Amino acid sequence: DAGVIQSPRHEVTEMGQEVTLRCKPISGHDYLFWYRQTMMRGLELLIYFNNNVPIDDSGMPEDRFSAKMPNASFSTLKIQPSEPRDSAVYFCASSFRGQGNTIYFGEGSWLTVV
Amino acid sequence: DAKTTQPPSMDCAEGRAANLPCNHSTISGNEYVYWYRQIHSQGPQYIIHGLKNNETNEMASLIITEDRKSSTLILPHATLRDTAVYYCIVRAASNSGYALNFGKGTSLLVTP
Repeated sequence: DAGVIQSPRHEVTEMGQEVTLRCKPISGHDYLFWYRQTMMRGLELLIYFNNNVPIDDSGMPEDRFSAKMPNASFSTLKIQPSEPRDSAVYFCASSFRGQGNTIYFGEGSWLTVV
Repeated sequence: DAKTTQPPSMDCAEGRAANLPCNHSTISGNEYVYWYRQIHSQGPQYIIHGLKNNETNEMASLIITEDRKSSTLILPHATLRDTAVYYCIVRAASNSGYALNFGKGTSLLVTP
C-alpha cells in the first residue's frame, strides 16, 4: 500500500496568499485526520472526518482555515488568507475502524508563510 | 481521554534495551494505551497498543501494570535509527471519536 500521500511536501508562500494542502488517505480507510505541528504547540488535531463527513472541527484555529473531503480518496485543507503564524508542518492521517483504529500518518506538508 | 506523563528525554546505548515509561493514573477501563514515535522530519509512526495484557510485535513490547496506571515500552535492541520522540497516548475505543491527542513525548537518543 502506498500509505497516506500528501502534497505539496514543501511550500513557501507570501502572507495573504491562499494555501491548499492535499491528502489522499489509504484506500479503504473511513477516517481522515488533519494535524498541525509546531515547536511551541506540538502536534494538534485540527479536524477529522468519518465517511467524508466532518465530525470534530473544534481544533480549527479560525475562519481562515477550512477543510473538505469531497470523496473517500481526497481531502483538502485550505488557508485563506495565510499568515506567518500558520507556518508549521501539516500532517494528514487515516484509519479504518476495523483495524483497531490504528492511525497512519503521511509525511507532512511543510508550510512557510513569509 | 486520560492524560499521560512521560520523561522529557532519555538516553540509551546502541544494542541495549530501551525502556520508556509512561504514567496514566487516570486511565479508564475502556481506554487503550497507544505508542507512536516520530523520527525527525517524518510523520508519526504507530508502534504498538494494548488494553490490559502485555503485547509484543516486531518493533517493540508493551508492558502494562496490573492496575493499568502505568506502562513501559521496550525496544529490545535499540539502534541509532530508533532515535526519535516517543509518544504514549491513552485513547477510548468508543463511538465518540477516534482521534489521538499527543502530548510532549519522550525524546530518546540512542548513542553508539
